[in-house]
Amino acid sequence: QKEVEQDPGPLSVPEGAIVSLNCTYSNSAFQYFMWYRQYSRKGPELLMYTYSSGNKEDGRFTAQVDKSSKYISLFIRDSQPSDSATYLCAMRKGGGNKLTFGTGTQLKVEL
Amino acid sequence: GAGVSQSPSNKVTEKGKDVELRCDPISGHTALYWYRQSLGQGLEFLIYFQGNSAPDKSGLPSDRFSAERTGGSVSTLTIQRTQQEDSAVYLCASSSGQGNEKLFFGSGTQLSVL
Repeated sequence: QKEVEQDPGPLSVPEGAIVSLNCTYSNSAFQYFMWYRQYSRKGPELLMYTYSSGNKEDGRFTAQVDKSSKYISLFIRDSQPSDSATYLCAMRKGGGNKLTFGTGTQLKVEL
Repeated sequence: GAGVSQSPSNKVTEKGKDVELRCDPISGHTALYWYRQSLGQGLEFLIYFQGNSAPDKSGLPSDRFSAERTGGSVSTLTIQRTQQEDSAVYLCASSSGQGNEKLFFGSGTQLSVL
């Protein structure tokens, strides 16, 4: 079993929809949680970073962490075609130096 | 350049040949990471450098894989006697320091082993 599980999709939504992307993890040592966005043939880029349980909002993006359930989410409001990409969750253990990534969810926002 | 630069962008090689992949991180970034991305597998950690030393090599899949970093800057990942299962995108990332979550990734090297 992988330490971080993420549904690969693909997920297809109409423009303007609210998108919910999720990851679960098995190791309670993970303390830092991130979401990266990856466009085709590009490297991932950091979207959101959270440490504590709860919500963090940045524009149309909200990251949610529930450490008790070992579950993290990314919500995208008013989704746009430019949001079409692969979204990867990532996490780091306290005191660690490497990120452990989910497999990524491919999202397509259609006009 | 302002970002992480990787070369070559594409590499096709024959099984059994050696390959070298290069990463030029953002100037001043002390931490450097190599990841491998295969279809359906996500990003697989390979090795982490802090300066010129590699305190975490735990992700290197076999002794055919090695990496070095010189001058606290450029890094090369070498794969000896390539196998078909080595085919993947090899991604390099750098960050400003230990424990920094903001990794800046290059666009990767697509390696195809025939």
